[in-house]
Amino acid sequence: AQSVTQLGSHVSVSEGALVLLRCNYSSSVPPYLFWYVQYPNQGLQLLLKYTTGATLVKGINGFEAEFKKSETSFHLTKPSAHMSDAAEYFCAGDSNAGGTSYGKLTFGQGTILTVHP
Amino acid sequence: KAGVTQTPRYLIKTRGQQVTLSCSPISGHRSVSWYQQTPGQGLQFLFEYFSETQRNKGNFPGRFSGRQFSNSRSEMNVSTLELGDSALYLCASSTRGGTYNEQFFGPGTRLTVL
Repeated sequence: AQSVTQLGSHVSVSEGALVLLRCNYSSSVPPYLFWYVQYPNQGLQLLLKYTTGATLVKGINGFEAEFKKSETSFHLTKPSAHMSDAAEYFCAGDSNAGGTSYGKLTFGQGTILTVHP
Repeated sequence: KAGVTQTPRYLIKTRGQQVTLSCSPISGHRSVSWYQQTPGQGLQFLFEYFSETQRNKGNFPGRFSGRQFSNSRSEMNVSTLELGDSALYLCASSTRGGTYNEQFFGPGTRLTVL
């Protein structure tokens, strides 16, 4: 069974600093991987996705992530944090991509990002 | 295109009651998935419907059920509510086409069980 682990339930950075949110996955097959962001009292918004092809994925709002199969990681980064980036971030995976498990995402526990002025 | 809509946004029920939540997917999307979000357990998959058929189911008791209509709208029902059912219930829709299509989430229904 697939699992997704996010290292660090809380990350705090200063405005303008690098944002690094860590995600590792455990799967017998390379999964499809996603990063979502959730603002208070809202649903999840897709930041970026890795399905096939290029391992460096660029998303919205200046975020990007790199799929590293050798490290089973999919860390999310942003070169310069903005106050509006403060939110909760979720890494998610679908290990049966191409099979019969479309529609079933496994989520990490989430990382709350705080941005200080 | 309008996004995924969920109704109601907030709901308060008492233990033992039942509740029905509704989800309208993005136009053209035929797959609807439901998730439960709680502080303790995080985001957990409930079930997925495609073409009015349940295709996947998570590890939830039979009190949790759902259905999908011919227009792809979906409802989920929770019977005999327990305090632990208090959560944010999110639905997501996708096209479920040939290549992978990501899920688009609605704003959720916040259920409080007293």
